[in-house]
Amino acid sequence: QVQLVESGGGVVQPGRSLRLSCAASGFTFRSYGMYWVRQAPGKGLEWVALISYDESHKYYADSVKGRLTISRDNSKNTLYLQMNSLRAEDTAVYYCAKGGAVGYGADSSYGFEYWGQGTLVTVSS
Amino acid sequence: SYELTQPLSVSVALGQTARITCGGNNIGSKNVQWYQQKPGQAPVLVIYRDMNRPPGIRERFSGSNSGNTATLTISRAQAGDEADYYCQVWDNSIVVFGGGTKLTVL
Repeated sequence: QVQLVESGGGVVQPGRSLRLSCAASGFTFRSYGMYWVRQAPGKGLEWVALISYDESHKYYADSVKGRLTISRDNSKNTLYLQMNSLRAEDTAVYYCAKGGAVGYGADSSYGFEYWGQGTLVTVSS
Repeated sequence: SYELTQPLSVSVALGQTARITCGGNNIGSKNVQWYQQKPGQAPVLVIYRDMNRPPGIRERFSGSNSGNTATLTISRAQAGDEADYYCQVWDNSIVVFGGGTKLTVL
């Protein structure tokens, strides 16, 4: 069965960096786009970034552009989120999610059926 | 940027029908997904492509989408349906979520 397991969260000071990982199993990781979605405490869901199956396409929310970088290692079935210049407003639970379609361009017809359990990032001095 | 508008809260009597709306400019031209999220848990996809249910989602959950409004309908509401619900679309390769609606079952 599909499993997504995030790790790497923790408490970090403003301006510092953190790297999140999402270990995937139970499906052909290299064939699917992957996503990061976050949720600040008591707030709604906010999409953060997406990466196509082959890394040829990467898109970011305006709120994180230039500070957060999504990447993947298909040989390790792992998705990453490099978080630099962290701010208090980046405090959130970060979820990884699997795209619904093989390849690129058709995820909009599906949705995120599989999510990880989330990892909490707290940015505080 | 594209925006989705949801009511902050919706209440429904036990066993009755709840309707949660999601407003967006010409949202009827987009595929709409709906997610259910209970406290401390990851979201669960309950509707994709406007009206389709993933495996394991009860028939009590249905969706529609036309014009500027998409709607999630929950029939015969149960206590276990109490949760936050989010609509979601893609807009030019960007993922957009609505602000979420808290459903209370009375």
